[in-house]
Amino acid sequence: AQSVTQPDIHITVSEGASLELRCNYSYGATPYLFWYVQSPGQGLQLLLKYFSGDTLVQGIKGFEAEFKRSQSSFNLRKPSVHWSDAAEYFCAVGSNTGNQFYFGTGTSLTVIP
Amino acid sequence: GAGVSQSPRYKVTKRGQDVALRCDPISGHVSLYWYRQALGQGPEFLTYFNYEAQQDKSGLPNDRFSAERPEGSISTLTIQRTEQRDSAMYRCASSLEGDGLAGTSSYNEQFFGPGTRLTVL
Repeated sequence: AQSVTQPDIHITVSEGASLELRCNYSYGATPYLFWYVQSPGQGLQLLLKYFSGDTLVQGIKGFEAEFKRSQSSFNLRKPSVHWSDAAEYFCAVGSNTGNQFYFGTGTSLTVIP
Repeated sequence: GAGVSQSPRYKVTKRGQDVALRCDPISGHVSLYWYRQALGQGPEFLTYFNYEAQQDKSGLPNDRFSAERPEGSISTLTIQRTEQRDSAMYRCASSLEGDGLAGTSSYNEQFFGPGTRLTVL
């Protein structure tokens, strides 16, 4: 069965510091992988996605993620965090047989000045 | 253009009452999805539609939950005889097409609505 693990429940970083949010997935076939961001009171917004091809994908707001099949990981990174990046981040794997998503439990990011 | 909208945004009800949650997808989107998100958790898949056809309802927790999309546009998620454990954020999403094909880039992005916060007292 598909599943997603986000080991870090909460992360605090200083503004301007680099960021890496971890995501591990379990899926039998080639996964479709996504990162979404959820700001307070807002819906989920897609940051980036991986289907195939180049394992380093670029997203919006300066985020990128790298797919590593050998590690079953799809970690999200940003070289320099801004205060506006404080939010909840969700990693998800998409089923290629029905299009439903399986989400991780999320990582809450706090940015300190 | 308008995004996915959901109503009501907040719903407080007493245990045992029925509730109906509405989702209005992006115009022209074929696929519509319902998720439930408990506090501190990620969204959990409930069911999805392509046009008016319910393709998968495996995520509905029990027979008190049902969903419909009679004209292939607006969808309603109904919870009968609500219980306190039903309290959660209910999210709707839509996409252009739901039948992603393996090995292609046609796996379409799901656009999420703001959610309905359901509280059962």
